[in-house]
Amino acid sequence: NAGVTQTPKFQVLKTGQSMTLQCAQDMNHEYMSWYRQDPGMGLRLIHYSVGAGITDQGEVPNGYNVSRSTTEDFPLRLLSAAPSQTSVYFCASSYGGPHAGTDTQYFGPGTRLTVL
Amino acid sequence: AQSVTQPDIHITVSEGASLELRCNYSYGATPYLFWYVQSPGQGLQLLLKYFSGDTLVQGIKGFEAEFKRSQSSFNLRKPSVHWSDAAEYFCAVGAGGNKLVFGAGTILRVKS
Repeated sequence: NAGVTQTPKFQVLKTGQSMTLQCAQDMNHEYMSWYRQDPGMGLRLIHYSVGAGITDQGEVPNGYNVSRSTTEDFPLRLLSAAPSQTSVYFCASSYGGPHAGTDTQYFGPGTRLTVL
Repeated sequence: AQSVTQPDIHITVSEGASLELRCNYSYGATPYLFWYVQSPGQGLQLLLKYFSGDTLVQGIKGFEAEFKRSQSSFNLRKPSVHWSDAAEYFCAVGAGGNKLVFGAGTILRVKS
């Protein structure tokens, strides 16, 4: 199993550009999430999904869109990049089910995004 | 709302010394608590978790953590630190479903 994969590893954007961060998992996990990591702030939840076709907002959703058309993939779209979106982005997945709260989350290696 | 406080931004310990990383949480009910570790340039890996039962939880790499409801704490410990333990450590609390609320992290430095 490859686990959780993310592409690209690094990206530089100009203000106003759009892009999609890719995330895929091969563990047949129902739950997937996107977090951003900023120094001194830990990880903050952007959007999450509890299954194909179902998404919801996390703590910091503004400026980002997600969709979940398959169990495996959960792309994160930046609509119009801003310098405040400079961060490291992590995708995570977990099994789900009735005991989802106790699940181990598996994290991808991250995408380091810089917006100029 | 749930929150997690990790009071120490940086900690430096000597190799072979004991380690304790502090974590305090705010949550109304019985919390689901996690410790994750992030090595430089890597994603996060679960060290251990608590959701019920014995309040002393054993994890991977020789780590353990103790849940103390009266102190709203879930401190991480290791009796003897190795140089490979240098990393950033995150405490997290479950926020419903698969959502996690993370602390700001503690960077561990190990000196030889």
